[in-house]
Amino acid sequence: KAGVTQTPRYLIKTRGQQVTLSCSPISGHRSVSWYQQTPGQGLQFLFEYFSETQRNKGNFPGRFSGRQFSNSRSEMNVSTLELGDSALYLCATTEGGMNTEAFFGQGTRLTVV
Amino acid sequence: AQSVTQLDSQVPVFEEAPVELRCNYSSSVSVYLFWYVQYPNQGLQLLLKYLSGSTLVKGINGFEAEFNKSQTSFHLRKPSVHISDTAEYFCAVSDSSASKIIFGSGTRLSIRP
Repeated sequence: KAGVTQTPRYLIKTRGQQVTLSCSPISGHRSVSWYQQTPGQGLQFLFEYFSETQRNKGNFPGRFSGRQFSNSRSEMNVSTLELGDSALYLCATTEGGMNTEAFFGQGTRLTVV
Repeated sequence: AQSVTQLDSQVPVFEEAPVELRCNYSSSVSVYLFWYVQYPNQGLQLLLKYLSGSTLVKGINGFEAEFNKSQTSFHLRKPSVHISDTAEYFCAVSDSSASKIIFGSGTRLSIRP
């Protein structure tokens, strides 16, 4: 079956703009988590959605938001972009139960100029 | 709260030599431990996981790890490395849902011919 698909793979935006990233989970996976990866901060958890509801949240400002649709696809949005938002954004999906495994997409590389 | 410490940011080894990547964790609840590998410009791939049971866990590509509860460690080992093992390796901890994963800072493994 198809893996986790993230679109777009690369994105260049200007400071102050907003951006929307998409994550399509593996068929049957209902949980989608988002992570930010930067050289300075490493991999940090942003938030997790399950059945269209945010179930977990990391320590990021309100400019970072997300949502999940009824088909489990998820989007994350970053408003008022800052240079420091340049990062690789990864999503991971699971079936949503216990003793499960997270599968990662290839990520979206966002560059803010 | 859960946390992960990877003691080495870089590990250089010669091809066909053994390698150990060190990881210590901290958690106040039952832990589920993982090692992920990231190749350049790629997402994360699960190498192995410890959920319960045998403390010696075997993964893909010839890697294995040992869970040591008394030392709160989960070191990754491979008896003989190959050039293709060049990548960044992340130790991680989560609860059983794997919906919020806490990552270590990563260890860059470089293989010399």
